Amino acid sequence: DTAVSQTPKYLVTQMGNDKSIKCEQNLGHDTMYWYKQDSKKFLKIMFSYNNKELIINETVPNRFSPKSPDKAHLNLHINSLELGDSAVYFCASSQDADSTDTQYFGPGTRLTVL
Amino acid sequence: GDSVTQMEGPVTLSEEAFLTINCTYTATGYPSLFWYVQYPGEGLQLLLKATKADDKGSNKGFEATYRKETTSFHLEKGSVQVSDSAVYFCALRGGSNYKLTFGKGTLLTVNP
Repeated sequence: DTAVSQTPKYLVTQMGNDKSIKCEQNLGHDTMYWYKQDSKKFLKIMFSYNNKELIINETVPNRFSPKSPDKAHLNLHINSLELGDSAVYFCASSQDADSTDTQYFGPGTRLTVL
Repeated sequence: GDSVTQMEGPVTLSEEAFLTINCTYTATGYPSLFWYVQYPGEGLQLLLKATKADDKGSNKGFEATYRKETTSFHLEKGSVQVSDSAVYFCALRGGSNYKLTFGKGTLLTVNP
């Protein structure tokens, strides 16, 4: 059973397109996250939702918009894709937003913008 | 703000060698500390964690002790295996901060 799943695993698209990445967790967790990992493996938080409410919104272009239809899902929509958006995007979840909670990561979505 | 500094890689060792990956942090309050591992082509997995000073996290032969006086959380393993080859990330999560702050990762390669 996959705890945190993401679709698609790979996404190749042209500059200027709009695309979405979906994330689902079956752990019953209240908090979900999106991270971006660049080509040098550096990981940085983008967004976090707790009980469908946005609690973290780092300095991310407005072209990125998260949506949480329910506690088990957190999707990421990207408008007007740019070359610099190429990265691996990881979804994660934790029981709640407490600092001691372990975050469980999905397998990642490798986005390539041509 | 919070930050994590871990030793630059890559680190290359022979099987059964001793491993240390240094990690130091800057944070306000009392953060929780984590080591995550990323095997090639996969997502991150929690390796171990410690939530208060002097706690020792351990898993799969790896250990790390939360040292508040030196603001460190160094990862150690007494005898590495080829299967330990991966990227290791040190991370912290502050008391009132929901996000994980990661170090830059250390690539470990273990040769037979």
